[in-house]
Amino acid sequence: EVQLLESGGGLVQPGGSLRLSCAASGFTFTSYAMTWVRQAPGKGLEWVSTISNSDGSTYYADSVKGRFTISRDNSKNTLYLHMNSLRLEDTAVYYCAKGAVGFDCWGQGTLVTVSS
Amino acid sequence: DVVMTQSPLSLPVTLGQPASISCRSSQSLVYSDGNTYLNWFQQRPGQSPRRLIYKVSNRDSGVPDRFSGSGSGTDFTLKISRVEAEDVGVYYCMQATHWPRTFGQGTKLEIK
Repeated sequence: EVQLLESGGGLVQPGGSLRLSCAASGFTFTSYAMTWVRQAPGKGLEWVSTISNSDGSTYYADSVKGRFTISRDNSKNTLYLHMNSLRLEDTAVYYCAKGAVGFDCWGQGTLVTVSS
Repeated sequence: DVVMTQSPLSLPVTLGQPASISCRSSQSLVYSDGNTYLNWFQQRPGQSPRRLIYKVSNRDSGVPDRFSGSGSGTDFTLKISRVEAEDVGVYYCMQATHWPRTFGQGTKLEIK
Protein backbone atom coordinates (compact mmCIF):
# COMPACT_ATOMS: atom_id res chain seq x y z
CA GLU A 1 0.00 0.00 0.00
CA VAL A 2 1.32 3.41 -0.99
CA GLN A 3 1.82 5.64 2.04
CA LEU A 4 3.12 9.17 2.52
CA LEU A 5 3.70 10.46 6.02
CA GLU A 6 4.54 14.11 6.59
CA SER A 7 6.17 15.48 9.71
CA GLY A 8 8.01 18.55 10.94
CA GLY A 9 5.22 21.09 11.12
CA GLY A 10 4.74 23.39 14.07
CA LEU A 11 4.61 26.95 15.32
CA VAL A 12 7.32 29.28 14.07
CA GLN A 13 7.83 33.04 14.26
CA PRO A 14 7.86 35.21 11.15
CA GLY A 15 11.30 35.10 9.59
CA GLY A 16 11.97 31.68 11.06
CA SER A 17 12.80 28.36 9.43
CA LEU A 18 11.37 24.87 9.41
CA ARG A 19 12.09 21.61 7.64
CA LEU A 20 9.24 19.32 6.62
CA SER A 21 9.74 15.65 5.85
CA CYS A 22 7.63 13.17 3.92
CA ALA A 23 8.41 9.47 4.39
CA ALA A 24 7.30 7.36 1.46
CA SER A 25 6.58 3.63 1.35
CA GLY A 26 4.78 1.09 -0.77
CA PHE A 27 6.23 2.18 -4.11
CA THR A 28 9.59 2.62 -5.81
CA PHE A 29 10.45 6.10 -4.56
CA THR A 30 13.25 6.60 -7.08
CA SER A 31 10.83 6.15 -9.99
CA TYR A 32 8.65 9.14 -9.16
CA ALA A 33 8.88 12.88 -8.94
CA MET A 34 7.46 14.24 -5.71
CA THR A 35 5.48 17.35 -4.92
CA TRP A 36 4.47 19.63 -2.04
CA VAL A 37 1.01 21.22 -2.02
CA ARG A 38 -0.32 23.48 0.72
CA GLN A 39 -3.72 24.57 1.94
CA ALA A 40 -4.19 27.69 4.06
CA PRO A 41 -6.94 27.48 6.69
CA GLY A 42 -10.33 27.44 5.00
CA LYS A 43 -8.79 27.97 1.58
CA GLY A 44 -8.09 25.97 -1.55
CA LEU A 45 -5.11 23.94 -2.71
CA GLU A 46 -1.89 25.64 -3.82
CA TRP A 47 0.98 23.84 -5.57
CA VAL A 48 4.27 24.70 -3.87
CA SER A 49 7.13 22.71 -5.39
CA THR A 50 8.09 19.60 -7.32
CA ILE A 51 11.36 17.67 -7.60
CA SER A 52 12.05 15.22 -10.38
CA ASN A 53 13.23 11.67 -9.80
CA SER A 54 15.68 11.62 -12.67
CA ASP A 55 17.85 14.71 -12.96
CA GLY A 56 16.98 16.47 -9.70
CA SER A 57 15.19 19.30 -11.48
CA THR A 58 13.16 21.46 -9.14
CA TYR A 59 10.19 23.73 -9.68
CA TYR A 60 8.73 26.35 -7.35
CA ALA A 61 5.71 28.57 -7.05
CA ASP A 62 6.62 32.24 -7.28
CA SER A 63 5.25 32.72 -3.77
CA VAL A 64 8.02 30.54 -2.28
CA LYS A 65 10.86 30.87 -4.78
CA GLY A 66 14.10 31.87 -3.09
CA ARG A 67 12.78 30.98 0.37
CA PHE A 68 11.86 27.28 0.11
CA THR A 69 14.06 24.42 -1.09
CA ILE A 70 12.76 20.99 -2.04
CA SER A 71 15.07 18.01 -1.80
CA ARG A 72 14.96 14.25 -1.54
CA ASP A 73 17.05 11.47 -0.01
CA ASN A 74 16.48 8.40 -2.15
CA SER A 75 18.38 6.20 0.31
CA LYS A 76 15.78 7.05 2.94
CA ASN A 77 12.73 7.28 0.65
CA THR A 78 12.15 10.73 2.07
CA LEU A 79 11.13 14.05 0.58
CA TYR A 80 11.96 17.34 2.29
CA LEU A 81 10.87 20.95 2.19
CA HIS A 82 13.27 23.43 3.74
CA MET A 83 11.41 26.64 4.52
CA ASN A 84 13.24 29.86 5.35
CA SER A 85 12.13 33.46 5.88
CA LEU A 86 8.66 32.25 6.79
CA ARG A 87 5.79 34.69 6.49
CA LEU A 88 2.36 34.84 8.06
CA GLU A 89 0.87 33.84 4.70
CA ASP A 90 2.84 30.57 4.72
CA THR A 91 0.52 29.28 7.44
CA ALA A 92 -1.07 26.16 5.97
CA VAL A 93 -1.35 22.41 6.02
CA TYR A 94 1.46 21.09 3.83
CA TYR A 95 0.82 17.87 1.92
CA CYS A 96 3.27 15.78 -0.02
CA ALA A 97 1.94 14.10 -3.13
CA LYS A 98 3.31 11.41 -5.43
CA GLY A 99 4.31 12.47 -8.89
CA ALA A 100 4.67 15.64 -10.88
CA VAL A 101 1.56 15.10 -12.98
CA GLY A 102 -0.65 12.48 -11.40
CA PHE A 103 -0.71 13.40 -7.70
CA ASP A 104 -2.33 10.01 -7.22
CA CYS A 105 -1.46 9.67 -3.55
CA TRP A 106 -1.37 12.30 -0.79
CA GLY A 107 -0.19 12.27 2.78
CA GLN A 108 -2.26 13.34 5.75
CA GLY A 109 -0.55 16.72 5.90
CA THR A 110 1.42 18.62 8.51
CA LEU A 111 0.35 22.01 9.87
CA VAL A 112 2.73 24.95 9.75
CA THR A 113 1.68 27.99 11.74
CA VAL A 114 3.64 31.21 11.32
CA SER A 115 2.79 33.59 14.14
CA SER A 116 4.45 35.91 16.60
CA ASP B 1 0.18 31.03 -15.22
CA VAL B 2 -2.76 28.93 -16.34
CA VAL B 3 -5.89 30.02 -14.52
CA MET B 4 -8.38 27.29 -13.69
CA THR B 5 -11.93 28.53 -13.22
CA GLN B 6 -14.51 26.27 -11.64
CA SER B 7 -18.27 26.74 -11.54
CA PRO B 8 -20.35 26.66 -9.55
CA LEU B 9 -18.39 27.28 -6.37
CA SER B 10 -21.29 26.00 -4.28
CA LEU B 11 -23.41 23.04 -5.35
CA PRO B 12 -26.41 21.98 -3.24
CA VAL B 13 -27.74 18.66 -4.54
CA THR B 14 -30.60 16.38 -3.52
CA LEU B 15 -29.59 12.81 -2.74
CA GLY B 16 -29.92 10.60 -5.80
CA GLN B 17 -29.84 13.54 -8.20
CA PRO B 18 -27.04 14.27 -10.69
CA ALA B 19 -24.38 16.93 -10.23
CA SER B 20 -22.02 18.61 -12.64
CA ILE B 21 -18.95 20.80 -12.10
CA SER B 22 -17.33 22.83 -14.86
CA CYS B 23 -13.63 23.63 -15.05
CA ARG B 24 -12.20 25.99 -17.65
CA SER B 25 -8.54 26.70 -18.24
CA SER B 26 -7.07 29.94 -19.60
CA GLN B 27 -4.87 27.97 -22.02
CA SER B 28 -5.13 24.65 -23.79
CA LEU B 29 -4.12 21.74 -21.58
CA VAL B 30 -3.00 19.55 -24.47
CA TYR B 31 0.66 18.66 -23.90
CA SER B 32 3.21 18.10 -26.65
CA ASP B 33 2.87 14.33 -26.16
CA GLY B 34 -0.81 14.56 -27.09
CA ASN B 35 -2.08 13.95 -23.57
CA THR B 36 -4.25 16.35 -21.61
CA TYR B 37 -3.16 16.46 -17.98
CA LEU B 38 -6.33 17.46 -16.20
CA ASN B 39 -7.08 15.84 -12.83
CA TRP B 40 -10.06 15.97 -10.51
CA PHE B 41 -9.72 15.65 -6.74
CA GLN B 42 -12.22 15.19 -3.94
CA GLN B 43 -11.55 16.51 -0.45
CA ARG B 44 -13.99 15.28 2.15
CA PRO B 45 -14.32 17.29 5.37
CA GLY B 46 -11.23 16.88 7.53
CA GLN B 47 -9.46 14.66 5.01
CA SER B 48 -6.61 14.93 2.54
CA PRO B 49 -7.41 15.33 -1.14
CA ARG B 50 -8.01 12.15 -3.10
CA ARG B 51 -7.65 11.87 -6.85
CA LEU B 52 -10.81 10.75 -8.65
CA ILE B 53 -10.02 11.31 -12.32
CA TYR B 54 -6.77 11.70 -14.27
CA LYS B 55 -6.10 12.74 -17.85
CA VAL B 56 -9.62 14.14 -18.20
CA SER B 57 -11.64 10.96 -18.09
CA ASN B 58 -9.75 8.10 -16.45
CA ARG B 59 -11.29 7.02 -13.19
CA ASP B 60 -8.95 5.95 -10.38
CA SER B 61 -9.16 2.50 -8.86
CA GLY B 62 -11.87 2.32 -6.21
CA VAL B 63 -13.71 5.39 -7.45
CA PRO B 64 -17.40 4.63 -7.96
CA ASP B 65 -18.53 4.59 -11.57
CA ARG B 66 -21.08 7.30 -10.85
CA PHE B 67 -18.14 9.72 -11.22
CA SER B 68 -17.11 10.59 -14.75
CA GLY B 69 -14.89 13.18 -16.38
CA SER B 70 -15.05 14.65 -19.85
CA GLY B 71 -13.85 17.55 -21.93
CA SER B 72 -11.01 18.70 -24.10
CA GLY B 73 -8.74 21.63 -24.74
CA THR B 74 -9.83 24.23 -22.20
CA ASP B 75 -13.26 23.00 -21.15
CA PHE B 76 -13.77 20.13 -18.72
CA THR B 77 -16.57 18.63 -16.64
CA LEU B 78 -16.89 16.32 -13.65
CA LYS B 79 -20.25 14.60 -13.39
CA ILE B 80 -21.79 12.58 -10.60
CA SER B 81 -24.70 10.56 -11.93
CA ARG B 82 -26.47 10.10 -8.58
CA VAL B 83 -25.16 11.96 -5.56
CA GLU B 84 -24.73 9.99 -2.35
CA ALA B 85 -24.14 11.30 1.17
CA GLU B 86 -20.46 10.29 1.06
CA ASP B 87 -19.90 12.65 -1.89
CA VAL B 88 -20.10 15.73 0.35
CA GLY B 89 -16.90 17.73 0.18
CA VAL B 90 -14.92 20.07 -2.03
CA TYR B 91 -13.94 19.16 -5.59
CA TYR B 92 -10.90 20.61 -7.33
CA CYS B 93 -9.70 20.45 -10.89
CA MET B 94 -5.96 20.76 -11.48
CA GLN B 95 -3.85 21.11 -14.58
CA ALA B 96 -0.48 19.38 -14.82
CA THR B 97 0.37 20.30 -18.40
CA HIS B 98 2.06 23.61 -17.64
CA TRP B 99 4.35 24.98 -14.93
CA PRO B 100 3.34 26.10 -12.38
CA ARG B 101 0.70 23.50 -11.64
CA THR B 102 -2.57 25.24 -10.83
CA PHE B 103 -5.81 24.28 -9.13
CA GLY B 104 -9.32 25.54 -9.53
CA GLN B 105 -10.87 27.41 -6.60
CA GLY B 106 -12.85 24.38 -5.49
CA THR B 107 -16.55 23.52 -5.64
CA LYS B 108 -18.28 22.72 -2.38
CA LEU B 109 -20.89 20.01 -2.80
CA GLU B 110 -23.52 19.75 -0.09
CA ILE B 111 -26.73 17.83 0.32
CA LYS B 112 -29.93 19.86 0.15
